[in-house]
Amino acid sequence: DIQMTQSPFSLSASVGDRVTITCRASQSISNYLNWYQEKPGKAPKLLIYAASRLQTGVPSRFSGSGSGTDFTLTISSLQSEDFATYYCQQSYITPTFGQGTRLEIK
Amino acid sequence: QVQLQESGPGLVKPSQTLSLTCTVSGDSITSGSYNWCWIRQTAGKGLEWLGRIYSTGSTNYNPSLKSRVTISRDTSANQFSLELTSVTAADTAVYYCARDLVDFYFAFDVWGQGTRVTVSS
Repeated sequence: DIQMTQSPFSLSASVGDRVTITCRASQSISNYLNWYQEKPGKAPKLLIYAASRLQTGVPSRFSGSGSGTDFTLTISSLQSEDFATYYCQQSYITPTFGQGTRLEIK
Repeated sequence: QVQLQESGPGLVKPSQTLSLTCTVSGDSITSGSYNWCWIRQTAGKGLEWLGRIYSTGSTNYNPSLKSRVTISRDTSANQFSLELTSVTAADTAVYYCARDLVDFYFAFDVWGQGTRVTVSS
């Protein structure tokens, strides 16, 4: 299995802040990296696919970058609805997910 | 608009078989563009991909569960199903069905709402 490691585990931030979440793969996955947002009681929602492509309908304050083993998700200016848990996921081979990053209000 | 809905028992006894069905509306599971997956979420292991069934009907499973998982489909009902045998408490989870797409680098772009399954006697 390819292990996906996210950092930080949790993060406190304020509305308007710029936030970056990092995801590292245990081996190269090219750009087969996707990001999801999960809110309590809801299914995960696809934000970014292929490392940097914004899913239709997702606000442009979300962006993704990286290739190989190191990836980032950036939220340029946090909004109240962005407080949630974020997961990375590789789809290079048998899909695996990161452990999640909980984004909390400071 | 594509929608997925999981259904099945919320309680399964240890050693028995967990069976869930995902009903798809707004798209055909035989459409060539998409694949249909099962994913679960546990408190201990987080999100775990269980397997997929392609539009062709072929399947692909997570090697860690391969011997216990079967995904099948009923094209007339536009449904696909999960069977997980010999369950234990470790299989207690929220089970999701989801769609992935080759053109989206196999990202899961549509999910069901999830169904909680508890394994307990």
